[in-house]
Amino acid sequence: AQSVAQPEDQVNVAEGNPLTVKCTYSVSGNPYLFWYVQYPNRGLQFLLKYITGDNLVKGSYGFEAEFNKSQTSFHLKKPSALVSDSALYFCAVRDGGDNFNKFYFGSGTKLNVKP
Amino acid sequence: SQTIHQWPATLVQPVGSPLSLECTVEGTSNPNLYWYRQAAGRGLQLLFYSVGIGQISSEVPQNLSASRPQDRQFILSSKKLLLSDSGFYLCAWYPGGPYEQYFGPGTRLTVT
Repeated sequence: AQSVAQPEDQVNVAEGNPLTVKCTYSVSGNPYLFWYVQYPNRGLQFLLKYITGDNLVKGSYGFEAEFNKSQTSFHLKKPSALVSDSALYFCAVRDGGDNFNKFYFGSGTKLNVKP
Repeated sequence: SQTIHQWPATLVQPVGSPLSLECTVEGTSNPNLYWYRQAAGRGLQLLFYSVGIGQISSEVPQNLSASRPQDRQFILSSKKLLLSDSGFYLCAWYPGGPYEQYFGPGTRLTVT
């Protein structure tokens, strides 16, 4: 069965420090992996994706993520956090099996960046 | 460029009343369309998705239904709302292939 886990409900980090938001996945076939960000009362905004190729993916707003096949992880990172990065972050995977139009989302991680 | 619209933006409805939420996509054809519900600002629950006109897949048995009367229109309905239907409803579209989903701005539904 396909699934995504975000083990941390909340991550707290000081402004200027590096941040990591964790994501692990379980999917059949080759994974398509995604990170989205959501601000209050807004839709999800796409940050970055891994489809194939280089394991380190760079995305919007200085975010990057590393695909680790052996650990089935796709952690989101940023070298220096901003207060404006405070939001809800979702990891998602596309079904790699027969139903490739279906996506699975993690439960979300709330990122709090303190000044 | 493609744009996704949802309306209304907010809705307050009494228990037992009907519901109709609309989602439309511009600038693309034959998109895959999705309805998600988000409760209490946390995880997304996939409700329905559609790969074409008249083709609806239901993920969660409940008092909601979906229809796709036109290629770029996706409607979420209920005949009688429950308190538990309150939440933030998100529509999304996906072009297929190595691309991401694109989300609409959402509808905040409060059932009183």
